[in-house]
Amino acid sequence: EVQLVESGGGLVQPGRSLKLSCAASGFTFSNYYMAWVRQAPKKGLEWVATISTSGSRTYYPDSVKGRFTISRDNAKSSLYLQMNSLKSEDTATYYCARRDGSYWGQGVMVTVSS
Amino acid sequence: DNVLPQSPTTMAASPGEKVTITCHASSSGIYMNWHQQKSGTSPKLWIYDTSKLASGVPDRFSGSGSGTSYSLTINTMETEDAATYYCQQCCSTPLTFGSGTKLEIK
Repeated sequence: EVQLVESGGGLVQPGRSLKLSCAASGFTFSNYYMAWVRQAPKKGLEWVATISTSGSRTYYPDSVKGRFTISRDNAKSSLYLQMNSLKSEDTATYYCARRDGSYWGQGVMVTVSS
Repeated sequence: DNVLPQSPTTMAASPGEKVTITCHASSSGIYMNWHQQKSGTSPKLWIYDTSKLASGVPDRFSGSGSGTSYSLTINTMETEDAATYYCQQCCSTPLTFGSGTKLEIK
């Protein structure tokens, strides 16, 4: 059974940093592009970052470029999202997902507030 | 803003009614996925590669489309189908999602 389990969310002050993790199981993690997608309260889905199978290529929308860094450890079947210089508008549930959308984690809440 | 237009934004359907949700892609020659999301839960892949049903999806659902226009259809609405549906242009970068359609039971 495929599982994606996120962790690391919480309440953080504006300007501070937070690192999310996603533990994958049930499939060959190193074979898949992975992504982070977020959803602000009562809003739609917003793509945050994508990473290639080896980790050599990463992609971001302008809204997070230069502040967020996606990475992976294929040996640990784990995906990460380092979030720096957080803003209130980054408040959302963050989902780890396979890029093709076939599997999603349960999500982790990040609240940026003073 | 990489959000694909979906219509309608919200709608209510009676049990047994036919429902169609549309999504407009930003380019042609793509595959369209559809995701179902119920309140408080993560999205679930519902339809992939434009017209293939994900595992466990009832066959009253169907997907179609080509070019830049795609649709999700429910042949006969059931109570359990009430949810928000998002299209997703698959699978290049940027990952692009639709604006969402909230489907309620009448």
